[in-house]
Amino acid sequence: GIQVEQSPPDLILQEGANSTLRCNFSDSVNNLQWFHQNPWGQLINLFYIPSGTKQNGRLSATTVATERYSLLYISSSQTTDSGVYFCAVGGEGSGGSYIPTFGRGTSLIVHP
Amino acid sequence: DSGVTQTPKHLITATGQRVTLRCSPRSGDLSVYWYQQSLDQGLQFLIQYYNGEERAKGNILERFSAQQFPDLHSELNLSSLELGDSALYFCASSVATAGTQYFGPGTRLTVL
Repeated sequence: GIQVEQSPPDLILQEGANSTLRCNFSDSVNNLQWFHQNPWGQLINLFYIPSGTKQNGRLSATTVATERYSLLYISSSQTTDSGVYFCAVGGEGSGGSYIPTFGRGTSLIVHP
Repeated sequence: DSGVTQTPKHLITATGQRVTLRCSPRSGDLSVYWYQQSLDQGLQFLIQYYNGEERAKGNILERFSAQQFPDLHSELNLSSLELGDSALYFCASSVATAGTQYFGPGTRLTVL
């Protein structure tokens, strides 16, 4: 199956700093999604981005499918950005289904 | 609030027992996905249903089964529970068979 590696595994920032999270995957994919799991356990969809670049406020993401990686940028980080960021990727299975494989995540702590 | 609801929020049971977890997708979403999150295995895809039919299967044990009903809500049945089944179980939904997934708050299962 597809292997997904996220880096760095842990990240500690001061409020206001910028950061880049990376997701490498071992095979071509048709689906890629970034999630944030907050300290209360809730999984929040950030981007569905199998290719290209998207931006939403202070967050943006870029996926270069041909080189099998995706980047999540967080600018001007805030304490509410703390949590674990997951990348989930998948190809297209039979009948157009999507079987996602998750990375182990990047744990982010933002200090005030 | 993602619009996906899961009940119950917490469940404590004993080994050998059977439990049922329930999920209601967002209004208009036809796909339901089930995931298991544990410390050692991370986030793992279990199974997907689309409009009442099983669409994709991941690392789901034979002791586990699921179904999606005509009103599109889904249930995950876990039987002959073992200590290792203790985990957070998430349900997610999407409009189609692939694309953006929206996660429910999860059910925390503890098997004693």
